[in-house]
Amino acid sequence: DAGVIQSPRHEVTEMGQEVTLRCKPISGHNSLFWYRQTMMRGLELLIYFNNNVPIDDSGMPEDRFSAKMPNASFSTLKIQPSEPRDSAVYFCASSPGRGLNTEAFFGQGTRLTVV
Amino acid sequence: QQQVKQSPQSLIVQKGGISIINCAYENTAFDYFPWYQQFPGKGPALLIAIRPDVSEKKEGRFTISFNKSAKQFSLHIMDSQPGDSATYFCAAVIIQGAQKLVFGQGTRLTINP
Repeated sequence: DAGVIQSPRHEVTEMGQEVTLRCKPISGHNSLFWYRQTMMRGLELLIYFNNNVPIDDSGMPEDRFSAKMPNASFSTLKIQPSEPRDSAVYFCASSPGRGLNTEAFFGQGTRLTVV
Repeated sequence: QQQVKQSPQSLIVQKGGISIINCAYENTAFDYFPWYQQFPGKGPALLIAIRPDVSEKKEGRFTISFNKSAKQFSLHIMDSQPGDSATYFCAAVIIQGAQKLVFGQGTRLTINP
């Protein structure tokens, strides 16, 4: 398996534009997580899905952020409109989500810069 | 109560020395405590993990010490090497719950040659 695949790896966009980040989890994993990493706040959990259903989105900063998981092999995180303070590295992770098998496998991340 | 507090924020250790990173938690429902290692430009990756029914777990040069009564756990890296230079995150999760990983703030470790 190629692991968790995120695209794009880097994104530079202007303030006010819509940004869509994509994630393909590891096949067979039941749980999917979106994290945001910044120097100031570390790794923040934005939202996570179990069996394609959003379980907890309390970490989503505001209504400008939305996430979907239309099927077991694809998820998107959308920011509309984007702002400079959204600049961060966004990670997607997936987990088998069964009992002790809780290891989260992270993708390479998408470095977002909003200018 | 969902927080995991990690210290120090950054740490510099000489090659061959012992690196120690500490974490504390409040929620006694947490029952699985992994440590993740992150190299620049990469996502975090699982390094070692422990359940609270044991006080210590060792894998090679990496050891987790766990103090359930104090609600604290720590990572020890023995004979630290320059290749260990990375950011380390402690985490906590409730296994039978929704399995939401809660991460500490991270420690940037630098091993000087």
